[in-house]
Amino acid sequence: SAVISQKPSRDICQRGTSLTIQCQVDSQVTMMFWYRQQPGQSLTLIATANQGSEATYESGFVIDKFPISRPNLTFSTLTVSNMSPEDSSIYLCSVATGTGFLGYTFGSGTRLTVV
Amino acid sequence: GQQVMQIPQYQHVQEGEDFTTYCNSSTTLSNIQWYKQRPGGHPVFLIQLVKSGEVKKQKRLTFQFGEAKKNSSLHITATQTTDVGTYFCAGQSGATNKLIFGTGTLLAVQP
Repeated sequence: SAVISQKPSRDICQRGTSLTIQCQVDSQVTMMFWYRQQPGQSLTLIATANQGSEATYESGFVIDKFPISRPNLTFSTLTVSNMSPEDSSIYLCSVATGTGFLGYTFGSGTRLTVV
Repeated sequence: GQQVMQIPQYQHVQEGEDFTTYCNSSTTLSNIQWYKQRPGGHPVFLIQLVKSGEVKKQKRLTFQFGEAKKNSSLHITATQTTDVGTYFCAGQSGATNKLIFGTGTLLAVQP
């Protein structure tokens, strides 16, 4: 199954600043997914990132706030822009794994605290 | 939009007791997946169910997919402390690859 390296693992940021989260996959994947998980809550899909096209955002999430890059089939970034304390959350990337369905693999997550 | 609810939100059991979490989707699903998230960890895939009425077992875990493909359950027999974590169902529907996660059930196991 795919292995994902996600960075940073955690950060504390000042409000009004931006943070870029990176996910590197050890194999080529068509789609990468970005999720947000608030403490004690479920995972909410932010957007789907395809290589070579604009990301597709879910209701409630906009490109200006969460710009995504997907420069190749193994890498993607999510930026949380103009942060406020409400953006404090865990952000995770995910990909479908392997040949033959083996579930979705998740990065280890980025725990973001905005102060 | 599509919603996936789970009950209970939280379950505390004594080690050795059984545990069941139920998952209900507002729409018909093409498949249902189950994930386990340990405290401080990320979700880890357990299983996928595709067929109406499907039942799959993994050691002490039994997974079911409802006949109408709108509900599912996970049953753990004789819980162990290693079963502690949050169990999420996650559904896909239609042609999309989007995975919509359920609300999750946090399982606490007292030794």
